[in-house]
Parts: sequence; structure tokens; C-alpha cells
Amino acid sequence: DGGITQSPKYLFRKEGQNVTLSCEQNLNHDAMYWYRQDPGQGLRLIYYSQIVNDFQKGDIAEGYSVSREKKESFPLTVTSAQKNPTAFYLCASRAPGSYNEQFFGPGTRLTVL
Amino acid sequence: ILNVEQSPQSLHVQEGDSTNFTCSFPSSNFYALHWYRWETAKSPEALFVMTLNGDEKKKGRISATLNTKEGYSYLYIKGSQPEDSATYLCAFNFGNEKLTFGTGTRLTIIP
Repeated sequence: DGGITQSPKYLFRKEGQNVTLSCEQNLNHDAMYWYRQDPGQGLRLIYYSQIVNDFQKGDIAEGYSVSREKKESFPLTVTSAQKNPTAFYLCASRAPGSYNEQFFGPGTRLTVL
Repeated sequence: ILNVEQSPQSLHVQEGDSTNFTCSFPSSNFYALHWYRWETAKSPEALFVMTLNGDEKKKGRISATLNTKEGYSYLYIKGSQPEDSATYLCAFNFGNEKLTFGTGTRLTIIP
């Protein structure tokens, strides 16, 4: 089955610790995205990558970092510099030539205690 | 940052009734407008990609219209069923690699 997997589903961390969220896709899509969702707000773009070894900041990149060493994988690190990291994180990939139609993973809920 | 607005924020509809909600977006530099359905504990799922003014798309009991000149799209659900309960997201694309999402309309169908 083709799709996007995110792990873990729930993640708890202590304040001050970095944490890495996993995102893997087997759709053979070049472009991948990380979004954050907070109550009452739309999905906000953190980082995106259009191709391996390249990525760009989105609207709220401060306190986050990413890497794109393989086409299938786009991990997101939430660093201790992120002031309010507790949120729901969604990963997506984009089908080519589709007016930017994106396919989403199931998400990871991060809670920082 | 572009503004994409959805209304209402939430909606309760009796099973069997029809309903509709709105997505408003900037009318300049339009490229595409996406509708997604996001059920609880699942991934957002693409419903429609709308690209032309006057577009009307349909999938079963769900349909959508697009007015790019005035900057809005309507999503209609005919004869609501419990499985229609979800958050409906719209997302605007003005031709680059990014989508700008609205805050969503949370629809609850009352049996």
C-alpha cells in the first residue's frame, strides 16, 4: 500500500529536550512538507523540501530543523528553541503536476511537559 | 501571508438535511483551490481540486463550486449522513509550491 507514515502517534518530552518526528513516504513523490496544527488555527507550514538534499523554511520555521537525505524520508526535529512545541504535526507529500495536491500522514501529537 | 477564511467554524446538522459552507480566498493570482476532508484520527483526504472560474465538481453527495473573480468556493453536502462528520479544510495555491490552509469547518451530523 502506498502512503505516508508518521511515527510515533503520540510523543511526550520534557521541556528543553530536542525531539525528532519521523515521516516516511513510498509514493515516490519529490516534494514533502511539515505542518503544525494548533486549536482554532489552520495548518501552518514549518518546512518543505522539493528535492533530496534541499529544503526551505515555511511560515513558522523558528525552533525547528529538518533534513532530506533520502527521497522517502523527511524527519523534523523540534528543538529546545521552539517556544511552544506542544501541537499536532502533520507530514505531507505532493504529487507531481497536480496543482500542488498533497497527501497527508496520520500525524504525531507532541506534548512537552 | 495570504488569508484563507472558512465559515462557519463549526456546524451541527440533522441526519438527512443538506448543508453548505464557504471558503474565501484572495481573488488575485489564483491558481488552484483544494478541499480536504479530515475525519478524527485519520489523515486529511483530498476531495476536490478546483482550478477554473465556474468549476463545479461532484463526488457522490458532496459537490463544490468555485468563483475566482469574487474569491470564494462553496462545499455542499446533500442528505447528510453520520459518516460526513469531519473537519472540511480548504487550501489556496497561487501557483507556487505551497498551500495556504483555512481554519476548517467542523461538521457534526446528529443522528
